[in-house]
Amino acid sequence: AQKVTQAQTEISVVEKEDVTLDCVYETRDTTYYLFWYKQPPSGELVFLIRRNSFDEQNEISGRYSWNFQKSTSSFNFTITASQVVDSAVYFCALSETGGGNKLTFGTGTQLKVEL
Amino acid sequence: EPEVTQTPSHQVTQMGQEVILRCVPISNHLYFYWYRQILGQKVEFLVSFYNNEISEKSEIFDDQFSVERPDGSNFTLKIRSTKLEDSAMYFCASRRLAGGTGELFFGEGSRLTVL
Repeated sequence: AQKVTQAQTEISVVEKEDVTLDCVYETRDTTYYLFWYKQPPSGELVFLIRRNSFDEQNEISGRYSWNFQKSTSSFNFTITASQVVDSAVYFCALSETGGGNKLTFGTGTQLKVEL
Repeated sequence: EPEVTQTPSHQVTQMGQEVILRCVPISNHLYFYWYRQILGQKVEFLVSFYNNEISEKSEIFDDQFSVERPDGSNFTLKIRSTKLEDSAMYFCASRRLAGGTGELFFGEGSRLTVL
């Protein structure tokens, strides 16, 4: 069965600090997809990134970067020079290619960025 | 930009009442989902729907729940007799492609409060 673990329940940083959100996953599939979603206080789920299991290249998008390491089953997310607007709950999720392609979410990390 | 829309944004109901949550997925999408998030907890898969039938459902999705695509555009979640523990945010999502290859678009959620 698939499982996603986000061990950090809550992180507080001061604006402009870099912060890394950890995500560890378990799956028996060789083909799978990993996602990060942001949930601001307003409650909606905002898609940030999708990565397939065959693409281990790290990705950078502006202040966001993702480090996918199959050897440790991790897909960590780093925000560089954090801003107050980054305050949100961040969810890591996994989708296997079979079984309806549902997403299994981690428990989320609450990020608070303070001035 | 196309989006998934959900109504109502918030519904308050008495225990034992029937509730219907409505979703309009993105028009060329083929796969539809409902997820649930109890306040402060992770997002949980309820059900996936493809080709006018349920393709997968979780243990949460018991006989009190049903889904329907009555007219080719709306996708509804019905809870037949609500319980206090059904209080949650319900997210509808849709995807055009199978597997993880297509981005999963989420609606803004419908908050259900059962009194």
